[in-house]
Amino acid sequence: DTAVSQTPKYLVTQMGNDKSIKCEQNLGHDTMYWYKQDSKKFLKIMFSYNNKELIINETVPNRFSPKSPDKAHLNLHINSLELGDSAVYFCASSQGVTGGSYEQYFGPGTRLTVT
Amino acid sequence: ILNVEQSPQSLHVQEGDSTNFTCSFPSSNFYALHWYRWETAKSPEALFVMTLNGDEKKKGRISATLNTKEGYSYLYIKGSQPEDSATYLCAFANNDMRFGAGTRLTVKP
Repeated sequence: DTAVSQTPKYLVTQMGNDKSIKCEQNLGHDTMYWYKQDSKKFLKIMFSYNNKELIINETVPNRFSPKSPDKAHLNLHINSLELGDSAVYFCASSQGVTGGSYEQYFGPGTRLTVT
Repeated sequence: ILNVEQSPQSLHVQEGDSTNFTCSFPSSNFYALHWYRWETAKSPEALFVMTLNGDEKKKGRISATLNTKEGYSYLYIKGSQPEDSATYLCAFANNDMRFGAGTRLTVKP
């Protein structure tokens, strides 16, 4: 069983479109995260959700919005896609609170290409 | 140090060599330090989470130490094997997660 899954794995779309990436975890974790791997391969946290509340909202454009229908899911919606949004996006989950002392489990990543 | 810094950026060793790399992080407001192993085309996998100054953790041939007062952690790999080739990431956790750029390790047979 996959612990943290993301769909789709690849997403190619045009500028200006709106898209979503889905994430599900079956680990019973309290907190879920979205990370962006930038062009320099850095992993940067975008959002985290704990008990359906947004805990962190880094300085990402408000075109990005996380949506958590329940504790096991954290989807990422992106409006008006731009070329600079092209990146690999990783979902992760952990027990406990954001940035705490529990290890994080990462999904396989979604490679978004905006043309 | 405001950010998380890792050195070296990359490392090439021969099979059987032992190696180590460094993670430097802010020494104030410390909560936890994470180490992850990231193989190409895969996703990061947790190695250790360390919280106490002086912590030492071990998993097989890999071990890590933590100095929160001076803000650094070392990761050691004893007797490197080709399958150890990966990028090793550390992350400073304190209500958020700040990752370093990683150390890319290549172990040659």
